[in-house]
Amino acid sequence: GENVEQHPSTLSVQEGDSAVIKCTYSDSASNYFPWYKQELGKRPQLIIDIRSNVGEKKDQRIAVTLNKTAKHFSLHITETQPEDSAVYFCAATSGYSTLTFGKGTMLLVSP
Amino acid sequence: GAVVSQHPSRVICKSGTSVKIECRSLDFQATTMFWYRQFPKQSLMLMATSNEGSKATYEQGVEKDKFLINHASLTLSTLTVTSAHPEDSSFYICSAPPTSGGGPNRETQYFGPGTRLLVL
Repeated sequence: GENVEQHPSTLSVQEGDSAVIKCTYSDSASNYFPWYKQELGKRPQLIIDIRSNVGEKKDQRIAVTLNKTAKHFSLHITETQPEDSAVYFCAATSGYSTLTFGKGTMLLVSP
Repeated sequence: GAVVSQHPSRVICKSGTSVKIECRSLDFQATTMFWYRQFPKQSLMLMATSNEGSKATYEQGVEKDKFLINHASLTLSTLTVTSAHPEDSSFYICSAPPTSGGGPNRETQYFGPGTRLLVL
């Protein structure tokens, strides 16, 4: 089955700095890679996703890159704000298999 | 957008009792729903896949006789934690991919708000 590794487990940045979270996956059949943001006690919220036919996708301050050859994808948050503080999960699926999540990254943005 | 609800949002029960958690898709049909468990500061771990009209599929290490799943209709799945013990205390989240093209679109998963279970 799919195995998703996520790093780092915690990330502290100053407001305005950029944050990068990296994930690797094992199943070459995976072709859909969503990123979720989860605030304490709340449900995961989809913030951005990417499919295997593109290498990069951007939505305002958030971007995701995918290297299918190396089987890794990354989340980039620019101009971080305190409200970006949360736990971020990457995930992977082929669409026909279940969604496999990384272990999560706790992002703390200090004012 | 699609909405998934869960009930109750939190429950406290005594050890040995059973607790039922409901997951409903409010404005779409879902032939498949997923049940996750999340311990503090950990990731979402898939427990089982609930299938409407057939038996649930459990992940390795999850006791099917302890976590009973019933997918009674195209909009409702229930998870019953039987004979709950303190170690079952956790955050239980369901998700439902809309059914399209004759099968579940496993990419688009709408999560419920979660149920916080505390077993004393």
